[in-house]
Amino acid sequence: GAGVSQSPSNKVTEKGKDVELRCDPISGHTALYWYRQSLGQGLEFLIYFQGNSAPDKSGLPSDRFSAERTGGSVSTLTIQRTQQEDSAVYLCASSVSGTVDTQYFGPGTRLTVL
Amino acid sequence: AQSVTQPDIHITVSEGASLELRCNYSYGATPYLFWYVQSPGQGLQLLLKYFSGDTLVQGIKGFEAEFKRSQSSFNLRKPSVHWSDAAEYFCAVERDYKLSFGAGTTVTVRA
Repeated sequence: GAGVSQSPSNKVTEKGKDVELRCDPISGHTALYWYRQSLGQGLEFLIYFQGNSAPDKSGLPSDRFSAERTGGSVSTLTIQRTQQEDSAVYLCASSVSGTVDTQYFGPGTRLTVL
Repeated sequence: AQSVTQPDIHITVSEGASLELRCNYSYGATPYLFWYVQSPGQGLQLLLKYFSGDTLVQGIKGFEAEFKRSQSSFNLRKPSVHWSDAAEYFCAVERDYKLSFGAGTTVTVRA
């Protein structure tokens, strides 16, 4: 079956612009996660969605970052007024139900802010 | 708080030789532990996981890992490395659905 897909695979933007990154989780998975992978910080948790519950946004680095999940499926991570330090690979993962469960990762979106 | 330490940033191993990657965690309760592999330009692929039970866990691609509570370790091993095993390996611990990752170990395989 299809795995987690993300688009675009690469995004180059200018400082100050807004960007949207998309994630399509595995069908039937109720939990969805965003992580960021950067040279300086390694792999960091950003946000978690589980079903219809309020998302856990505790990992978002600033209020320029937001995410939504529509219809319990597709998720969009939005970064407003991008900064150079936002350059990273943004990874999306999904799991069947959340806690004590295997997270399956997508290929990531490489964001470069010039 | 919890943390995951991978002491080796980079390991070089000859093809056919054995490989061991170290992982230590700092966590008060029973940890849920994972090893993921990332090939260049790819996402993370799960190699194996430990939730409970047998402390020796078998994974894909011939990898295994052993959970040692007394040493707070979850080391990854492979008896005979193939050139395709060249990649970056991440140990992770889960708590409250969030994964905390180690810094990763890059494995280079020489012919």
